[in-house]
Amino acid sequence: EAGVVQSPRYKIIEKKQPVAFWCNPISGHNTLYWYLQNLGQGPELLIRYENEEAVDDSQLPKDRFSAERLKGVDSTLKIQPAELGDSAVYLCASSPGGSTGELFFGEGSRLTVL
Amino acid sequence: SQQGEEDPQALSIQEGENATMNCSYKTSINNLQWYRQNSGRGLVHLILIRSNEREKHSGRLRVTLDTSKKSSSLLITASRAADTASYFCATGSSASKIIFGSGTRLSIRP
Repeated sequence: EAGVVQSPRYKIIEKKQPVAFWCNPISGHNTLYWYLQNLGQGPELLIRYENEEAVDDSQLPKDRFSAERLKGVDSTLKIQPAELGDSAVYLCASSPGGSTGELFFGEGSRLTVL
Repeated sequence: SQQGEEDPQALSIQEGENATMNCSYKTSINNLQWYRQNSGRGLVHLILIRSNEREKHSGRLRVTLDTSKKSSSLLITASRAADTASYFCATGSSASKIIFGSGTRLSIRP
């Protein structure tokens, strides 16, 4: 069984440029999460989807961040424009259902903003 | 925001010794999970303990949960070089949020 797939693994951009991250969850997993992880810290939730509905986006900085999960499968997280402080690892995770169960993580997308 | 605080922040032990990490949290939970993260990789689920459980084992892992103290511990017995990683606790609440702590960096010396 394929795991959670994220791309790109690494991205270097200049500030004020846009960037997008893509996530393909495990087949059949209805719940999808985007987390942000700063160096030496734990993951912080940005947004959680149940199928195609964003059920928790309270921590998503909506002035510059947006996310979508069309058809309740793949998801895209976008930052526009990026700022220096956005440099971090963006982790995608999925779970089969029952939002407080085990999460399956992708390898993450490491963003560097210059 | 992060719910849990792990203690210690960093731990270095000799191969073969036991490693104990602690996690404290603030609000009521449905379950508590532990994850491992190797450098530059995603997180891997290790074990889940429900709020009505006090202890759980999985191979060399032993997890305890004390809901009255809002704390949990992860014990790794007979440590190996491959156990070198960061370990995170994560709480699952009735609001269906899963919130991670700040992690413990474990280093196993050969």
